[in-house]
Amino acid sequence: AQKITQTQPGMFVQEKEAVTLDCTYDTSDQSYGLFWYKQPSSGEMIFLIYQGSYDEQNATEGRYSLNFQKARKSANLVISASQLGDSAMYFCAMREDFNKFYFGSGTKLNVKP
Amino acid sequence: SAVISQKPSRDICQRGTSLTIQCQVDSQVTMMFWYRQQPGQSLTLIATANQGSEATYESGFVIDKFPISRPNLTFSTLTVSNMSPEDSSIYLCSVTLGEDHEQYFGPGTRLTVT
Repeated sequence: AQKITQTQPGMFVQEKEAVTLDCTYDTSDQSYGLFWYKQPSSGEMIFLIYQGSYDEQNATEGRYSLNFQKARKSANLVISASQLGDSAMYFCAMREDFNKFYFGSGTKLNVKP
Repeated sequence: SAVISQKPSRDICQRGTSLTIQCQVDSQVTMMFWYRQQPGQSLTLIATANQGSEATYESGFVIDKFPISRPNLTFSTLTVSNMSPEDSSIYLCSVTLGEDHEQYFGPGTRLTVT
C-alpha cells in the first residue's frame, strides 16, 4: 500500500482565495511526523509545516495550516489568501522511526490572477 | 532550520562521464540523505550517509553507480558515475534536525546528461 497518497495531480485557485491540498497516509506506528514541502520551478524543496502524531492541535505557520485528522489518517494542507507566488508543486511526506521518510506524488498548484 | 548548500547548482554532462555533487551544512548533523527526483516525479531516496561509516543504499541503487563520501559532520558528496540520459534528474541532499527530526533540503543539483 502507498504510504502517502495525494489524489490531486493539479489544482487551480483564484488569487486571495483559500485552497486545500489533500494528503492521506498509511502507518501502523504510534509515533510519526507529517510534513508539507513546496517545490517551485527552481527545484528546491522548501519546508512549510510539520505535525507530530501526538500533537493535539493543528499546526499553523503563517498562511499555512495543517488539518490533521488522525482517525481518518489525513493531513491536508490549507493555504489561506493564495498568492501568485504560491504556484508550485506541493509534496506531503511522512516520517516513521527517526529517519524513514515517504513522499507523496505531489500536487501542482496554479494560482490564477 | 539549517543552511544547506549544494554545488554545482546545475550541470550538463556527456554520457559516460561522472559528476560529483557536494553538500555542505552549516551545523553538525548525524545523518545526511541523498535523493533523486526524475522529471515530473516525486523524490526517491538514494542513500543515507552517516559520518564515519559506509552509506546505506536503498533498493535499486548501488555504490558503484552512486558512491558517497561523508568525511565529517557537515559535508557529503554524491558521485553519479558512468552517466546515461536516464540519470538526468534533480539531486537533493537533506538533513534532519531537532527532536521532531524535521527534514531540510539543499537547493538541489539539476543534472542533464546528453
